[in-house]
Amino acid sequence: SQQGEEDPQALSIQEGENATMNCSYKTSINNLQWYRQNSGRGLVHLILIRSNEREKHSGRLRVTLDTSKKSSSLLITASRAADTASYFCATGVYGNKLVFGAGTILRVKS
Amino acid sequence: KAGVTQTPRYLIKTRGQQVTLSCSPISGHRSVSWYQQTPGQGLQFLFEYFSETQRNKGNFPGRFSGRQFSNSRSEMNVSTLELGDSALYLCASSLEGLVSYGYTFGSGTRLTVV
Repeated sequence: SQQGEEDPQALSIQEGENATMNCSYKTSINNLQWYRQNSGRGLVHLILIRSNEREKHSGRLRVTLDTSKKSSSLLITASRAADTASYFCATGVYGNKLVFGAGTILRVKS
Repeated sequence: KAGVTQTPRYLIKTRGQQVTLSCSPISGHRSVSWYQQTPGQGLQFLFEYFSETQRNKGNFPGRFSGRQFSNSRSEMNVSTLELGDSALYLCASSLEGLVSYGYTFGSGTRLTVV
């Protein structure tokens, strides 16, 4: 079963706009990771934030983590058509496995 | 360096048959994990192998099994296929298998059971 929910389920924006996706989880975590998936292909690791971190940046990506609320958000700034994909949060739980959310489908219109 | 290689890319099998999927991890990576992705259940953890030993297993029936060879290549086997086994099967490679670092995924094997 999945760890939690992602919100929204789908998001459609214009190129150049920012996209924000939220993820909630249920149990204690070691870290939280975000992955991208294009058209049912493999997952691409985007960014990892540890449980003792609150914010992390990587290029146009900004991730925040609030362990008290068991939630995280992924912000993609200045979106491009190539960012069109499904985005998944995954919590790294003890036992060396990832527990994935249901994903957010992002469509960036050019 | 070469990424994670999964073969075959696509498979069509009949109910009741068995199937074997293969995963070659990144050179030097000793951990291989398998995930199943379906529209209904999303991404679910199947099992993880490290140095030829299964270290962790998800909540799947015994029809799902795997193994890892001394060169870290891994195979997963599904016996007595059911229609519900139709899914994208993803393999993830990592150095030590620790979730403290990100995983590198292969492109997946899409299995269709008819």
